[in-house]
Amino acid sequence: AQSVTQLDSQVPVFEEAPVELRCNYSSSVSVYLFWYVQYPNQGLQLLLKYLSGSTLVKGINGFEAEFNKSQTSFHLRKPSVHISDTAEYFCAVSERAAGNKLTFGGGTRVLVKP
Amino acid sequence: GAVVSQHPSRVICKSGTSVKIECRSLDFQATTMFWYRQFPKQSLMLMATSNEGSKATYEQGVEKDKFLINHASLTLSTLTVTSAHPEDSSFYICSARDVRGRTEAFFGQGTRLTVV
Repeated sequence: AQSVTQLDSQVPVFEEAPVELRCNYSSSVSVYLFWYVQYPNQGLQLLLKYLSGSTLVKGINGFEAEFNKSQTSFHLRKPSVHISDTAEYFCAVSERAAGNKLTFGGGTRVLVKP
Repeated sequence: GAVVSQHPSRVICKSGTSVKIECRSLDFQATTMFWYRQFPKQSLMLMATSNEGSKATYEQGVEKDKFLINHASLTLSTLTVTSAHPEDSSFYICSARDVRGRTEAFFGQGTRLTVV
């Protein structure tokens, strides 16, 4: 079984400032790692994913994340946020053999202030 | 490509009635679909895994007789909330796995269920 911990439930940030959302996971098997964004009353949109290879992953909307195996972390970053980045962000993992069955973290609400 | 359509997006029903939510993969075939539930300001919790042509697999604590899942074709899975009660009010989201085995799941837009 896996578990995912998002250390910050809410992150206020000013427009054009950088933001980092922290995610740690635990699993006894190899996993894939994902970050999703959810806007109010909508489904989830994939920001980026780590499958293998380079530990720095670039995604959509200027987001990137770094996989750190020794620290079992997959933190999400954006160097300069926009008002439109205000949303809920979810870190998730799936076992490589589990066929897209995801375990989600508790979510981090990002509030971008002007 | 990889669009999942979930319908309805919003439904209000009376306590004791049943509600059906549809999840369709529009441009790919899905052998497996997943149903999640999300309470306000909380994360998504997997309810069940729906496999085309076979019985769904429910997570621990999810009542299979209350949340009926049918996956009759490679593009459609339905979740029926039977005899709904106010505590069933929630946001339900489906995701689908492409038969071609792509590594990401594709999510529907979600259904906001309110039981009054």
